[in-house]
Amino acid sequence: AQKVTQAQTEISVVEKEDVTLDCVYETRDTTYYLFWYKQPPSGELVFLIRRNSFDEQNEISGRYSWNFQKSTSSFNFTITASQVVDSAVYFCALSGTTGNQFYFGTGTSLTVIP
Amino acid sequence: GAGVSQSPSNKVTEKGKDVELRCDPISGHTALYWYRQRLGQGLEFLIYFQGNSAPDKSGLPSDRFSAERTGESVSTLTIQRTQQEDSAVYLCASSLGFLAGHTDTQYFGPGTRLTVL
Repeated sequence: AQKVTQAQTEISVVEKEDVTLDCVYETRDTTYYLFWYKQPPSGELVFLIRRNSFDEQNEISGRYSWNFQKSTSSFNFTITASQVVDSAVYFCALSGTTGNQFYFGTGTSLTVIP
Repeated sequence: GAGVSQSPSNKVTEKGKDVELRCDPISGHTALYWYRQRLGQGLEFLIYFQGNSAPDKSGLPSDRFSAERTGESVSTLTIQRTQQEDSAVYLCASSLGFLAGHTDTQYFGPGTRLTVL
């Protein structure tokens, strides 16, 4: 089965704290892609990153970093020194090669308290 | 255009009426998706168009829901005889498509918030 699990429904942190959002996936495909999207209060989903299954290098972009581990089927997202503008719902998603669907997790709502 | 656009941004309708939602994908994107997002929930896949292939309608919740796409451009999602449980944000996304054995990154529109009274 193709499935994405984001076990953390809601997280609150104080500004400047680091926070990690968990994402665990299941897939039958040997080649697949993982994504993170941000949905701020305005509602529009914003693409953050795409990672293919052959590339397990961690990625860092400013205060954002992603840790992809095939051994644990996880693709976790860390925000360093969080800011109020990071408050949003974050979705992890999976796409494969045996279909045309994206599989989204249920999202993690992050609140950064000033 | 620069991004995916959707109209209207908000739609309030009475139970039993039909509604039509529109999506303009990014120019050159062959794939187009419709999703539904109920309040506080994740994304629920509805339908997928890829070029001139037959659409994947496996996510449509009932026969009251239908969608069309003209070539590789505009798509309309129609909900007939709306019910209160249809109230949600309807999101459209487009991508370059299914290329070289993988599904490319989706870019989302701002959504249409549908309220059925």
